[in-house]
Amino acid sequence: EDQVTQSPEALRLQEGESSSLNCSYTVSGLRGLFWYRQDPGKGPEFLFTLYSAGEEKEKERLKATLTKKESFLHITAPKPEDSATYLCAVREYGSSNTGKLIFGQGTTLQVKP
Amino acid sequence: DAGVTQSPTHLIKTRGQQVTLRCSPISGHKSVSWYQQVLGQGPQFIFQYYEKEERGRGNFPDRFSARQFPNYSSELNVNALLLGDSALYLCASSITGGAGAYNSPLHFGNGTRLTVT
Repeated sequence: EDQVTQSPEALRLQEGESSSLNCSYTVSGLRGLFWYRQDPGKGPEFLFTLYSAGEEKEKERLKATLTKKESFLHITAPKPEDSATYLCAVREYGSSNTGKLIFGQGTTLQVKP
Repeated sequence: DAGVTQSPTHLIKTRGQQVTLRCSPISGHKSVSWYQQVLGQGPQFIFQYYEKEERGRGNFPDRFSARQFPNYSSELNVNALLLGDSALYLCASSITGGAGAYNSPLHFGNGTRLTVT
């Protein structure tokens, strides 16, 4: 069964304390892996798409990487405004249903000043 | 540019009632997908519509239905509401729904918070 698992479920950091979030996936074929940020009461905000193992994407303090079985979201010197839930999702290869993403349960990040 | 807009933002219904949620995609986007997000969980796929045709359906009962209009806006209908239908309902749009869509991320609205009492 296709699934996406994120760890840890919750993460508390001090401002400036770098860390990584993990997303492990099991799908028959990966067409794309997506990272989203979700603030309380809001919809997910798109961050990155990764397509193949070895690929990396960066945006400000965030860097996403991809291997054949997992993806990492590295947060360098985080600030309190980086506090949010980070969601990982995958799109399966070969599916004509391009609107379907399989999401993990998310990692809730809290950055304290 | 306007993002994905959803209405209403909040809704309270009683068990057994019916509800209609509305979504307007980003201008130029022809594909709309619906997701259900229960508190503390990731979104779960319900439907995708592209060019007014259903392109995919998730593991949800027939009480859930949707449609897409010529202007690409969409409605999600839920009949015979259950307490377990209480959730944040998210609409997402993308540029295409065909083969080129594999490279297109989904862009989400802020959702409709449905509470069933």
